[in-house]
Amino acid sequence: EIVMTQSPATLSVSPGERATLSCRASQIISSNLAWYQQKPGQAPRLLIYGASTRATGIPARFSGSGSGTDFTLTISSLQSEDFAVYYCQQYNNWWTFGQGTKVEIK
Amino acid sequence: QVQLQESGPGLVKPSGTLSLTCAVSGGSISSSNWWSWVRQPPGKGLEWMGEIYHSGSTNYNPSLKSRVTISVDKSKNQFSLRLSSVTAADTAVYYCARVDGGMDYWGQGTLVTVSS
Repeated sequence: EIVMTQSPATLSVSPGERATLSCRASQIISSNLAWYQQKPGQAPRLLIYGASTRATGIPARFSGSGSGTDFTLTISSLQSEDFAVYYCQQYNNWWTFGQGTKVEIK
Repeated sequence: QVQLQESGPGLVKPSGTLSLTCAVSGGSISSSNWWSWVRQPPGKGLEWMGEIYHSGSTNYNPSLKSRVTISVDKSKNQFSLRLSSVTAADTAVYYCARVDGGMDYWGQGTLVTVSS
């Protein structure tokens, strides 16, 4: 099983600031990585797939990078609606999720 | 706009079988997509359970494989999940999702509690 490790567990950021979230795979997964946003009581929302391709309707302030084992999700200027939990997910070998990073208001 | 809707009992007894259905609207389950089940225990992270193609081909999470069955009903445009021998550890919100470069459409989720 491919284990996905996200860091940090919690990220405290002020509105308008930049947020950088990390995700590491236990083995090489090429670019087979997606990022999701989840708000309380809601289903996850696909943000990024293929490590760097924004899903339909996702604002340009969200960007993804990386390949192999190390990946990053960057939110360039945090808006109030961006405070949520973010999950990475690999799909190189079945599907596994990271444990999540909570982005909270500083 | 594709929509997915989970349905099924919200309470299942220990050692029983959990059964859920995901109805797909706004699109065909016979499209070139896989269809997945994902669950989330209260306050915890996401776990992929398995997926199915309209042909009936399936893939399952190895940790659940002995207890999970996913099936498809093309005539009703829906797919289903069965999880046997449930315990309290199977209490979770269960989501169905469409796979297309990631999981791009999700149901709203349904809470299933395992309790006597």
